[in-house]
Amino acid sequence: DVKVTQSSRYLVKRTGEKVFLECVQDMDHENMFWYRQDPGLGLRLIYFSYDVKMKEKGDIPEGYSVSREKKERFSLILESASTNQTSMYLCASSPVPGQGYYEQYFGPGTRLTVT
Amino acid sequence: KQEVTQIPAALSVPEGENLVLNCSFTDSAIYNLQWFRQDPGKGLTSLLLIQSSQREQTSGRLNASLDKSSGRSTLYIAASQPGDSATYLCAVPRNSGNTPLVFGKGTRLSVIA
Repeated sequence: DVKVTQSSRYLVKRTGEKVFLECVQDMDHENMFWYRQDPGLGLRLIYFSYDVKMKEKGDIPEGYSVSREKKERFSLILESASTNQTSMYLCASSPVPGQGYYEQYFGPGTRLTVT
Repeated sequence: KQEVTQIPAALSVPEGENLVLNCSFTDSAIYNLQWFRQDPGKGLTSLLLIQSSQREQTSGRLNASLDKSSGRSTLYIAASQPGDSATYLCAVPRNSGNTPLVFGKGTRLSVIA
């Protein structure tokens, strides 16, 4: 079974703190993604990565950065947390098309509260 | 730009009823379509993946169909149970091939015992 794990289920941080959200997948997938999910807005893409050390901006990258030093790990960084970054953060991974089904697998999510 | 719409936004049914959830997308040139389930406060669980060349996929009491030409997919749940209560989301790749997904906003299903 594919497993995507996220470092924390719940996190409470203060405004201005630097926050690290970590995601690890165990299926040797090339692609990894970070989304945030908010009521009424659905899932929105923050950043994604096709390979180690590669990153692409999604729809809402402002205030975030990412790091992918190893294939299995994709980190989301909030440089200076703000209250409008309070949200559910979801990490996902997938193989590339042609390597079986191009199916995306999600982690359990991190509920981040910034006070 | 690909957009995904799910109707209805919420649905409440009595236990045992068969039901259909709808998903529509604006660009029919999709690589595949994926249905997910999300329980409150949890991540997304993949239910079914339909490749663009397929018309339907089945898993247990779930059956998903795909009509690319009309830009529609349906998720059929047979003999619904209270444990089916969750939010169901459909998603398609943004462009053909190796791209992130575009999600609908989901249908929140409540199955009443």
